[in-house]
Formats: sequence, structure tokens, C-alpha cells
Amino acid sequence: KAGVTQTPRYLIKTRGQQVTLSCSPISGHRSVSWYQQTPGQGLQFLFEYFSETQRNKGNFPGRFSGRQFSNSRSEMNVSTLELGDSALYLCASSPRTSVNYEQYFGPGTRLTVT
Amino acid sequence: GQNIDQPTEMTATEGAIVQINCTYQTSGFNGLFWYQQHAGEAPTFLSYNVLDGLEEKGRFSSFLSRSKGYSYLLLKELQMKDSASYLCAVPNNAGNMLTFGGGTRLMVKP
Repeated sequence: KAGVTQTPRYLIKTRGQQVTLSCSPISGHRSVSWYQQTPGQGLQFLFEYFSETQRNKGNFPGRFSGRQFSNSRSEMNVSTLELGDSALYLCASSPRTSVNYEQYFGPGTRLTVT
Repeated sequence: GQNIDQPTEMTATEGAIVQINCTYQTSGFNGLFWYQQHAGEAPTFLSYNVLDGLEEKGRFSSFLSRSKGYSYLLLKELQMKDSASYLCAVPNNAGNMLTFGGGTRLMVKP
């Protein structure tokens, strides 16, 4: 079974621009979560989608948004980029059965904002 | 809310044993995860404890004490490739969010 894939792997953007990151979950997984990882703040939860609905959202400004498609693929968008948005963005998928909380992470997208 | 603490860095010698601790405070408990993350790579699943006690999986073992809000990851027969960050994490009640500790960077020296 193929793992979680994320595109692009690396991205350089300028302050004020916007960016869209993509995530394809493991086949059969309907839950997709996004996390931001920085040296200072560690791994922080952005949001989770299940069956095209956002089920939970972390403490991030409205510039961060996402969506999920009917095939469970997900995208996240960051508008009006700031230098502090430079981070590794990780996507994780989960089968989300009633007792399985395990999340499988993709390789991440390294975003650099200059 | 949820709060998780773990040491920032640890150093150990190849072939030795190291214990990485994690303390947590949660409003509800739904188990505790340990992940390994090599530099520049994604976190990979190591263990999931929901009941008290020690679970062994090869060179890696994980322990949980729910009454003390405490877990540890035990790595035996350390190898150079074990140099990585080790993250403990707890899920929320809905199981759709993980709260991570800051991670413990383990350096294994020859």
C-alpha cells in the first residue's frame, strides 16, 4: 500500500504571496490532518478533515485554510504569507475506525518564506 | 487542555540503553503515542499505549502509568541510526487531533 504523499516537497515563496499544498492519503483512509512543524513551536495541529468536512481546527489565523475532496485528497492554503510561516508542513492520514487513533505521516512540504 | 513535557536533548553511547521520559496532563485520556523522526523526515509510528504497563517491541519498549501521567520509551542496544527525535503525543477525545510534546533529540555516539 502506498504511503501518504505530499506535493511539492520544497517551496520558496515571498512574503505576501499565497501557497497551496497537496496531500494524498493512504488508500482507504478518510481522515486527513495537517500539522505545522517549526524548531521553536514543535509540531502543532492545523486542522483535520473527514469525508470532506473540517472536524477540528487548531489555533491558527484564518490565513490558514484547507479542504478535502471526495477522493480524500486534501489541500491546505496559506494566504498573505509571513516570514513566520516558514516551516515543515506535515499531512497525516488515519483510518479513523472507532478505536484506531493512529496517524500516518507524509514526508512533508518544506516551505521557506523570504 | 493538554500539556506534554519531555527533555529536549539526550546523549547516549552506542550499545547502551536509554530511557526517554514523557509527562502529560490531559482532560481525557485516549492513549499515548511515541513517534521517531529523523532529521528532515516524517515522524514514524513506534508505539501506542492505552493500558498501564510495559509493551516490548524488539529493541524498543514503551511504558505507561496513567495514574502518574507518565510514559517512557526505552531503547536498548543503541545503534547510530537511532539518532533522531522522539516525540510523544496524545490524541484528543474525538481522536482527530494529536498534541505533541516538543520532542527529545537523541544523539548516539560511538
